[in-house]
Amino acid sequence: DADVTQTPRNRITKTGKRIMLECSQTKGHDRMYWYRQDPGLGLRLIYYSFDVKDINKGEISDGYSVSRQAQAKFSLSLESAIPNQTALYFCATSENENIQYFGAGTRLSVL
Amino acid sequence: RKEVEQDPGPFNVPEGATVAFNCTYSNSASQSFFWYRQDCRKEPKLLMSVYSSGNEDGRFTAQLNRASQYISLLIRDSKLSDSATYLCVVNSGTSGTYKYIFGTGTRLKVLA
Repeated sequence: DADVTQTPRNRITKTGKRIMLECSQTKGHDRMYWYRQDPGLGLRLIYYSFDVKDINKGEISDGYSVSRQAQAKFSLSLESAIPNQTALYFCATSENENIQYFGAGTRLSVL
Repeated sequence: RKEVEQDPGPFNVPEGATVAFNCTYSNSASQSFFWYRQDCRKEPKLLMSVYSSGNEDGRFTAQLNRASQYISLLIRDSKLSDSATYLCVVNSGTSGTYKYIFGTGTRLKVLA
């Protein structure tokens, strides 16, 4: 089983819908992250959390919210999805400020 | 100017060739540096960390030039399986702040 698991792997939704992307990890790391990846723009940080009680905005948090339900779980929500949120979303974990371990990604399309 | 810049490529090289990529960064206070590999539509995976003294892992060599603010990745004896996008990562965070910046990646195609 993967150390960092993202669900769903693919999602198609309509403009205005609320959706949640989930991430769970078995690595025992305190730090978790959500990124989106768009062609030509690389990986951009949406939110990050250094422990269960810590939530921080990243570079592009507008239109997104997160919940850290437990050390192992970090969910990303799009309250009202819009087409420019169509992207590949990655969850990642790390033990410290160095190496990050990524989930397999969620491909989201907003129509 | 972007904080971390990479030539997007693609670099098309024949099998067995040596190829090198550079990555420049703008924050002179950056503390740690990494190369990740990303296959098409897959997640990034750590290839190697970049140490001040340089480091080598098999056919891969990474170097840091703090004076000119760039890191490099050298791949010797390229294999078809090396075809991927290589992401440069620079950690510019200080105590209490998080700043782990990904470059947009350099695409490598190794041709038979």
